[in-house]
Amino acid sequence: QVQLVESGGDVVQPGRSLRLSCLGSGFIFSNFAMHWVRQAPGKGLEWVAVISFHENDKYYADSVKGRITISRDNSRNALYLQMNTVRVEDTAVYYCARSHLVYYHMDVWGQGTTVTVSS
Amino acid sequence: EILMTQSPATLSVSPGERATLSCRAGQSVSSNLAWYQQKPGQAPRLLIYSASTRAAGIPARFSGSGSGTEFTLTISSLQSEDFAVYSCHQYSEWPFSFGPGTKVDIK
Repeated sequence: QVQLVESGGDVVQPGRSLRLSCLGSGFIFSNFAMHWVRQAPGKGLEWVAVISFHENDKYYADSVKGRITISRDNSRNALYLQMNTVRVEDTAVYYCARSHLVYYHMDVWGQGTTVTVSS
Repeated sequence: EILMTQSPATLSVSPGERATLSCRAGQSVSSNLAWYQQKPGQAPRLLIYSASTRAAGIPARFSGSGSGTEFTLTISSLQSEDFAVYSCHQYSEWPFSFGPGTKVDIK
């Protein structure tokens, strides 16, 4: 079945770096754009970034631009989120999600990985 | 960024009753609007996309309508498993954005 599994979440100090990973299975990973979406404790969903299937196009939320980089390795069916200079406000559950083939909404979600930024 | 708002923040409904949730976009998003359901401790689940198209496996009691800036999610007869938070999402323009959510709880 179609599945996304995130990993890499941790407790990290402000200013440090962290890389999240997401492995896809049950579908042709290289055919789909992929998103990262986060949810701070007790808050709503916040779109973070998207990467096209061929990695040529990437878009970011203003809140993370310049600090976070989305990338992928289609040979490994893997999606990544490199988080640099993390802030307390980056504390959240981070979900990877598959983009619909035709439209850009998220049609399949992973279970999430938790990032806590605290000194 | 397109600001998405939802109303009400909380909707108390009895099982079997109809629930109507609203979503408003700060500018036109055409029909590029999706609805998600989220239960505590779970990932969001896609319900509706293109404003009114049900995703695969979604029961017919869920329906979406609207275009431009005003959208509605209707649950025709609430079942016990429908008590959750519902969020709208615009994918018309970068950066994408979500509404703050409407919590549907048991009256």
